[in-house]
Amino acid sequence: DAMVIQNPRYQVTQFGKPVTLSCSQTLNHNVMYWYQQKSSQAPKLLFHYYDKDFNNEADTPDNFQSRRPNTSFCFLDIRSPGLGDAAMYLCATSRAQVAGEDGYTFGSGTRLTVV
Amino acid sequence: DAKTTQPPSMDCAEGRAANLPCNHSTISGNEYVYWYRQIHSQGPQYIIHGLKNNETNEMASLIITEDRKSSTLILPHATLRDTAVYYCIVRSPNFGNEKLTFGTGTRLTIIP
Repeated sequence: DAMVIQNPRYQVTQFGKPVTLSCSQTLNHNVMYWYQQKSSQAPKLLFHYYDKDFNNEADTPDNFQSRRPNTSFCFLDIRSPGLGDAAMYLCATSRAQVAGEDGYTFGSGTRLTVV
Repeated sequence: DAKTTQPPSMDCAEGRAANLPCNHSTISGNEYVYWYRQIHSQGPQYIIHGLKNNETNEMASLIITEDRKSSTLILPHATLRDTAVYYCIVRSPNFGNEKLTFGTGTRLTIIP
């Protein structure tokens, strides 16, 4: 089945040690998103790619970077994780905005623990 | 995108209809109402969306008031697996507005 796959499902990293989370999709959607979700909070958009165009949210810390080498893959890089970056990271995809489009497809998320 | 207001939590008995309200009084004429849900430790799941007319699919029904300032998501026969956080989101279909912004949602608990 076409889907959005996030690896790994759980990631433990050391304080200050760079970490990369990955997302792949078989939907051929041209928009990919990264959300951060902390405990008991709603998902918060960090950035998204419209094809190769990168769109950063104004309040996303510089510590968070992203790469999209091709349509299928997107990576979230955290350069120096702090304890406050522990969260669930969600990847999502969608087609370019179409009136009445039925929405996003989310991956299962990667739960990041910083020790 | 317009802001939405939802009750923070609701309970519903198993087998009964769960009715989840959402206020979106500042919605614009071309903005759609989307509903997603998030089961614990999973990614959000699309449920349904609509513009003006009521909509129904295999998961739920969406009732939008005539003035479009509020809507209700109906799960006709709630099961324990419907326990989740439900998000009502208003979104413009305009080209270039791809973002989906989540509010606080309603935590629905289905009671056996």
